Amino acid sequence: GESVGLHLPTLSVQEGDNSIINCAYSNSASDYFIWYKQESGKGPQFIIDIRSNMDKRQGQRVTVLLNKTVKHLSLQIAATQPGDSAVYFCAERRGTSNAGGTSYGKLTFGQGTILTVHP
Amino acid sequence: DAGITQSPRHKVTETGTPVTLRCHQTENHRYMYWYRQDPGHGLRLIHYSYGVKDTDKGEVSDGYSVSRSKTEDFLLTLESATSSQTSVYFCAAGTGYNEKLFFGSGTQLSVL
Repeated sequence: GESVGLHLPTLSVQEGDNSIINCAYSNSASDYFIWYKQESGKGPQFIIDIRSNMDKRQGQRVTVLLNKTVKHLSLQIAATQPGDSAVYFCAERRGTSNAGGTSYGKLTFGQGTILTVHP
Repeated sequence: DAGITQSPRHKVTETGTPVTLRCHQTENHRYMYWYRQDPGHGLRLIHYSYGVKDTDKGEVSDGYSVSRSKTEDFLLTLESATSSQTSVYFCAAGTGYNEKLFFGSGTQLSVL
């Protein structure tokens, strides 16, 4: 999973394998989550998002799973390809509640996991 | 880049000089954001805009100002650049507040 500091977690897989990248979040009031992919020298690229009222969401070759009980988010990439090599990071939106109801809070980004896919 | 263009892509400047970074979007997104990305930190929000001439501070806003005179353009200004502002700056835009942000390709800024 992701951590604070200069050394990012790494995941190395063979081409064709499935990859699972994990992210732990801290705020039980977080209501929305996003996964991004960032290649070297490029901006973050949106992959998939999920709201807290869902447990699972699927995209093209990707699946995001949300476990609110343990505050854990994962990104599964099927049939990983060399072009999937990048840094992957999650973001959580921390909802806040007030007397008028819940308002949307700040977006907090993790530092990421380095995925390396070997041909 | 989802229709988001940043300029310049690279800039080297001297301490004390003003610097303006530009972000242009073509998707008519309401919300626009400026982030900086540094080793050891995730993306950190500098300022954001929720409409033309409507802006607010993020978590690292000191030393930065922004302006949004048109929906498509969001400018970030460093009034007097310092070495601590050496970073990669990303602009992002989206339709919902803090939802599904699309990022530009970034500006590498070095302050000497």
